[in-house]
Amino acid sequence: DAGVIQSPRHEVTEMGQEVTLRCKPISGHDYLFWYRQTMMRGLELLIYFNNNVPIDDSGMPEDRFSAKMPNASFSTLKIQPSEPRDSAVYFCASSFSVRGYTFGSGTRLTVV
Amino acid sequence: AQTVTQSQPEMSVQEAETVTLSCTYDTSESDYYLFWYKQPPSRQMILVIRQEAYKQQNATENRFSVNFQKAAKSFSLKISDSQLGDAAMYFCAYRSANNNDMRFGAGTRLTVKP
Repeated sequence: DAGVIQSPRHEVTEMGQEVTLRCKPISGHDYLFWYRQTMMRGLELLIYFNNNVPIDDSGMPEDRFSAKMPNASFSTLKIQPSEPRDSAVYFCASSFSVRGYTFGSGTRLTVV
Repeated sequence: AQTVTQSQPEMSVQEAETVTLSCTYDTSESDYYLFWYKQPPSRQMILVIRQEAYKQQNATENRFSVNFQKAAKSFSLKISDSQLGDAAMYFCAYRSANNNDMRFGAGTRLTVKP
């Protein structure tokens, strides 16, 4: 099993541009989570899906952020338009039951 | 909402010695799960140990063990025979049995001195 796969690993973009982060969860996992990590706020849950359906998006900071999960093997987190304060490491994680999450390697986003 | 508190921003330990990282949490639920994650400089989040709230026995994984005090809502991590590779950020996390999202503490940066 290749684990949770995120791409890209690093992304540098200019303010105002659209950014799309991608995640492939572990096959068979029925939960998928998006987290954001910053020095100031730590690890924040943005949104999570169960069986491809968004369950709780209360952590999504504002309308500029959107997430989709069109099928069990793929999810995207989109920021449009991006702002410098969106700079962070974005993690995707997946799980089955309550054995704990498996995290991807994260995407470091820098908005200049 | 549940909160997780790690009161030690930084800790250090001598190689081969034992160190304990503290974690407390606040919840009104009786059924939940607690975790410790390790984040080395590579930034990968690695599950270290897991504890089910309904189990009285403390979880152990090789050199890692926990002291779970349910009434006190405390969940500390003990690392025995510390190794240089243990140097990392350690995050305590709470997961409700009802809604499946996981809340993290602010983390403790552990330094291991040779």
